[in-house]
Amino acid sequence: QSALTQPASVSGSPGQSITISCTGTSSDVGGYNYVSWYQQYPGKAPQLIIYEVTYRPSGISDRFSASKFGNTASLTISGLQAEDEADYYCSSYRFSSNVFGTGTKVTVL
Amino acid sequence: ETQLVESGGGVVQRGGSLRLSCAASGFTFDDHCMHWVRQIQGKGLEWVSLISWDGSSSYYADSVQGRFIISRDNSKNSLYLQMTNLRPEDSALYYCVKDIGMGTISRGMDTWGQGTLVSVSS
Repeated sequence: QSALTQPASVSGSPGQSITISCTGTSSDVGGYNYVSWYQQYPGKAPQLIIYEVTYRPSGISDRFSASKFGNTASLTISGLQAEDEADYYCSSYRFSSNVFGTGTKVTVL
Repeated sequence: ETQLVESGGGVVQRGGSLRLSCAASGFTFDDHCMHWVRQIQGKGLEWVSLISWDGSSSYYADSVQGRFIISRDNSKNSLYLQMTNLRPEDSALYYCVKDIGMGTISRGMDTWGQGTLVSVSS
């Protein structure tokens, strides 16, 4: 079960916007609206920040937004802040299973 | 407060077995499907298994199919992972995870435990 493809790293300056891509296939990202995104700080458990492609759980900043086009999902962080420096993972339903992305390290310059 | 607490990790030799447990609290356990997700230190997340709200359906990653069994006891608000024929590549931190949904399609994993560490020696 191959992982979804994410860039290894993305960086930006405070206040800027960055976008993380998550590329799969028509059997996962492109085939279902069940893409989610997770933020993980070092030594901590992941936290859900986006579910079902575009929805934010209660308490998640509206600086996080997401979309999907074809087989690629994207997470955008607007107004980048120091606290956004973390690892980010996408995930998608794939028939009778689930798959995570390779992960992206976000660095705030 | 919604909480998941894993236990049962440890050191085991190749070919050995372990049973992980997860105690859930703070939410209606049988309203949600549950997952096990693992992470090798310093590496990415790997989905391991999912079980539906009532335990009637379960799915596994190819890497553990036939060796791991997920189960749940809704009367005890508990999730389990029976791991057999363990391999060194199974060494990881294992997270118990609650999904937003009930069935076998993950809508989003909204609550994670702190994990229990499994180490398989060769």
